[in-house]
Amino acid sequence: DGGITQSPKYLFRKEGQNVTLSCEQNLNHDAMYWYRQDPGQGLRLIYYSQIVNDFQKGDIAEGYSVSREKKESFPLTVTSAQKNPTAFYLCASGPLRDSREKLFFGSGTQLSVL
Amino acid sequence: GNSVTQMEGPVTLSEEAFLTINCTYTATGYPSLFWYVQYPGEGLQLLLKATKADDKGSNKGFEATYRKETTSFHLEKGSVQVSDSAVYFCATQGAQKLVFGQGTRLTINP
Repeated sequence: DGGITQSPKYLFRKEGQNVTLSCEQNLNHDAMYWYRQDPGQGLRLIYYSQIVNDFQKGDIAEGYSVSREKKESFPLTVTSAQKNPTAFYLCASGPLRDSREKLFFGSGTQLSVL
Repeated sequence: GNSVTQMEGPVTLSEEAFLTINCTYTATGYPSLFWYVQYPGEGLQLLLKATKADDKGSNKGFEATYRKETTSFHLEKGSVQVSDSAVYFCATQGAQKLVFGQGTRLTINP
């Protein structure tokens, strides 16, 4: 089955700790995205990548980092500099020519602070 | 940049009621418009889209018409079911990305 997989489903972070959220897709999509979802605020773009070894900041990149070493993988690290990390994180992917139309989303990771 | 604004939620209806979720957009040019749906515990999935003015997108009994004169793309369904309970997002095209509204939580009671 083709799809986009996020792990873990739930993640807990301690003060001062960096945590990494995994996102893997086997859809052969060039473009991948990380969104943050907070209640009542919809989706906000953190980072996106349109090609391997290249990525761009979204609207709320501060306190986050990403890498794109492989086409199928786009991990997100929530660093200790992110002071309010509790949120639902969604990864998405799409073919480059359609990435401004149809995105395929993973089922999300809920990050909470201990 | 382009943006969308959705009606405040949450919305609670009885089964078989008529549904409208309002969405208005601000855009340069005429970008495509979309409705995405997020069922409990899942990611978002595309529900319907319209690519130009007066286009009507439809899927699973839901409809939305791209109205240039009112800059709107309201989501409608004539008779909702309990299984329609979800969060609905209006979206439009930004520069190299989709831009989403804040989402409207819909709950349908039997």
